[in-house]
Amino acid sequence: EAGVTQSPTHLIKTRGQQATLRCSPISGHTSVYWYQQALGLGLQFLLWYDEGEERNRGNFPPRFSGRQFPNYSSELNVNALELEDSALYLCASSGGQDSNQPQHFGDGTRLSIL
Amino acid sequence: GESVGLHLPTLSVQEGDNSIINCAYSNSASDYFIWYKQESGKGPQFIIDIRSNMDKRQGQRVTVLLNKTVKHLSLQIAATQPGDSAVYFCAENTTPASKLTFGTGTRLQVTL
Repeated sequence: EAGVTQSPTHLIKTRGQQATLRCSPISGHTSVYWYQQALGLGLQFLLWYDEGEERNRGNFPPRFSGRQFPNYSSELNVNALELEDSALYLCASSGGQDSNQPQHFGDGTRLSIL
Repeated sequence: GESVGLHLPTLSVQEGDNSIINCAYSNSASDYFIWYKQESGKGPQFIIDIRSNMDKRQGQRVTVLLNKTVKHLSLQIAATQPGDSAVYFCAENTTPASKLTFGTGTRLQVTL
């Protein structure tokens, strides 16, 4: 069974640009979560999508947004990139909001802002 | 709960010894807890979970203990191996399933 897959592996942008990160959940999982892991810091919750709807949002500015597609894959969009957005962005999936199963993570997208 | 600082606490153990990694969680309403292992360049890997109606759960070479009175969680690794070297995170969740709140992480170094 394929795990959570994320693309691209690495992404280099400059300040002010926009970035799009993609995630495919484990087959059968309907919930997708996004986390930011900045260098030297732990994981910070960004967004949770389930059945195509945004269910919860972390303490991040509105320029962080996303969506979930009918096939349950997801995109994270970051607008007006700032230097401090440089981080590893991790996507996780689980069986949905009623299943209370563990979240399983992909290996992330390393976003570097120059 | 919230991660702070740039320096991870480090636990150094000899190969073959048992390891105990501790975690204090923040939300008394949390009812689901998970331990993850993160190796360099990879995403967190699920190790074991426990629900608040339990105080102990065992897996293969790992045991998780939950003390709700003092909001403390621990991960015990038996016969630690070099492949166990990684950063370990505890995470808490409140049902219905939503965001995970991660601890600061502990780096486990296994010496030969």
